[in-house]
Amino acid sequence: AQKITQTQPGMFVQEKEAVTLDCTYDTSDQSYGLFWYKQPSSGEMIFLIYQGSYDEQNATEGRYSLNFQKARKSANLVISASQLGDSAMYFCAMREGRGSTLGRLYFGRGTQLTVWP
Amino acid sequence: GAGVSQSPRYKVAKRGQDVALRCDPISGHVSLFWYQQALGQGPEFLTYFQNEAQLDKSGLPSDRFFAERPEGSVSTLKIQRTQQEDSAVYLCASSPRDDYGYTFGSGTRLTVV
Repeated sequence: AQKITQTQPGMFVQEKEAVTLDCTYDTSDQSYGLFWYKQPSSGEMIFLIYQGSYDEQNATEGRYSLNFQKARKSANLVISASQLGDSAMYFCAMREGRGSTLGRLYFGRGTQLTVWP
Repeated sequence: GAGVSQSPRYKVAKRGQDVALRCDPISGHVSLFWYQQALGQGPEFLTYFQNEAQLDKSGLPSDRFFAERPEGSVSTLKIQRTQQEDSAVYLCASSPRDDYGYTFGSGTRLTVV
């Protein structure tokens, strides 16, 4: 089974509007972390935001917020006031467990976001 | 340097050729990871080092893939007898410790012809 599911291959949003990118995850661990990364066409993976499984508050970083719904196992990324430079591929990822596999990330297939003027 | 540096940026290899991909992590970062990203897919884990110790290599797709980090800093991913299915972007990431964020390099795009 997929550990990370991103069901939106592509999303379109007008500049200055907000957009939500969906992510659901699957784990039996109690301790895990959820990440969102942005990958522009240049290829580098840019860290956006992190949510720990025990964090009670939704994470926020500037225009990015993570809508964490633990019971639903969802971790949607909300981008407010979209900018043209936000056009990129967005990946949701999860790190689970402890021990030697602590650092390993599981990625979804990504959502291509296009911001239009 | 300030970030994770990978070289070469692009590599074209003939099928059957051996290749070596280099990763220079951020100085002092203990953890180093390699990921493989096929076209249109998310990155897939290959292997993980903590200093010079390779703690997890379960993601390496075959015994043609080999990674090392002999002095706990620079790492090399080697692919022997390359096949077309090895064509992908190979990403390296480093972290100061296991439970912290990761910094990714820009990747090496390998094309096997």
